[in-house]
Amino acid sequence: AQSVTQLGSHVSVSEGALVLLRCNYSSSVPPYLFWYVQYPNQGLQLLLKYTTGATLVKGINGFEAEFKKSETSFHLTKPSAHMSDAAEYFCAVSDRSAGTALIFGKGTTLSVSS
Amino acid sequence: NAGVMQNPRHLVRRRGQEARLRCSPMKGHSHVYWYRQLPEEGLKFMVYLQKENIIDESGMPKERFSAEFPKEGPSILRIQQVVRGDSAAYFCASSPFGSTDTQYFGPGTRLTVL
Repeated sequence: AQSVTQLGSHVSVSEGALVLLRCNYSSSVPPYLFWYVQYPNQGLQLLLKYTTGATLVKGINGFEAEFKKSETSFHLTKPSAHMSDAAEYFCAVSDRSAGTALIFGKGTTLSVSS
Repeated sequence: NAGVMQNPRHLVRRRGQEARLRCSPMKGHSHVYWYRQLPEEGLKFMVYLQKENIIDESGMPKERFSAEFPKEGPSILRIQQVVRGDSAAYFCASSPFGSTDTQYFGPGTRLTVL
């Protein structure tokens, strides 16, 4: 069965600092991988996704993630944090079958201080 | 292109009442997914529907919960005889016909059971 582990339920950084949110997955088949962001009282917005091809994926708002098969990881990074990045971030995985559900991690709350 | 729409955004029910949550997918999308988010938890898959068909309901509680996606109109998630443990945010997502990857999420319905 697929699963997702997000290391660290809370991450705090200073404005301008590097953001690193960790995600490890388990899957018996090559997965699709996603990062979503959720602002307070809002739905989830897709940040980026990995399906096939280049393992370094660039998303919106300056975020990127690298798929490392050998480490079963898909960590999310941003070189310089902005106050507006404060939100909850979810990593998710699905197998490659059409119409399958996403399996989500428990989320990481990112706080950004000035 | 309007996004996924959910209503109501907030719903308050007393124990034993019924809750009906509605989801209108993005235009052209014929796949709908329902997820539940409990406090301090990630999203958990409930049910996957296509028009007039339930494809996967493996995440639905066996009792009191039902879902439909009629030929015309929105998808409905129905919870009968609500209990306090049903208090959560319920999110709907949609994807295009034939897509195997991205799901687009609505803003959610926050259900509070008194």
